[in-house]
Amino acid sequence: SQQGEEDPQALSIQEGENATMNCSYKTSINNLQWYRQNSGRGLVHLILIRSNEREKHSGRLRVTLDTSKKSSSLLITASRAADTASYFCATLWINTDKLIFGTGTRLQVFP
Amino acid sequence: DGGITQSPKYLFRKEGQNVTLSCEQNLNHDAMYWYRQDPGQGLRLIYYSQIVNDFQKGDIAEGYSVSREKKESFPLTVTSAQKNPTAFYLCASSPGQGRTNTGELFFGEGSRLTVL
Repeated sequence: SQQGEEDPQALSIQEGENATMNCSYKTSINNLQWYRQNSGRGLVHLILIRSNEREKHSGRLRVTLDTSKKSSSLLITASRAADTASYFCATLWINTDKLIFGTGTRLQVFP
Repeated sequence: DGGITQSPKYLFRKEGQNVTLSCEQNLNHDAMYWYRQDPGQGLRLIYYSQIVNDFQKGDIAEGYSVSREKKESFPLTVTSAQKNPTAFYLCASSPGQGRTNTGELFFGEGSRLTVL
């Protein structure tokens, strides 16, 4: 399969805790992106990290990228109940315009 | 407001029938995409189009067809040849090719197709 793998598949935490999701992929990439999907809705772009970057921040989001291990992580700090959603990583392969999505992590944040 | 509109949101179809899902965007994006999502899974690429009157097969194109006669529109037909068509279908667009293209996708709200 061309799809990347994410772990854990599901994560349950309390409000205020941090949530960490990991993504592994299979080939050389141009960039890696994280998307959020609320149940039954479309995906929304959260953050993008280029292949020559190692870490990026946006608000409560922190993304790291290790191209030698072909892996990335998304950290959501001080989680809120409204962060409950599925989170997907997606990789833009070099010399293509195709975005390949991972299998997703379902995050549940309890009030 | 600029965005991507998919219709219908819910669709029921009898086996053996073709059905067409609509996708319209007013973002002036060159590239458009169709993805399929099955329960608890990621997205799989069906077809994509980088320019009007041209499109390419994705990873799971069998049983589907598309057209791109206008920049704004990229309808997907689910044909009777698709063996397991019940799924959530997502349309997306991006600015398209070019050195500044990051591949970031803008998604519609999806169409849920159920085959009875």
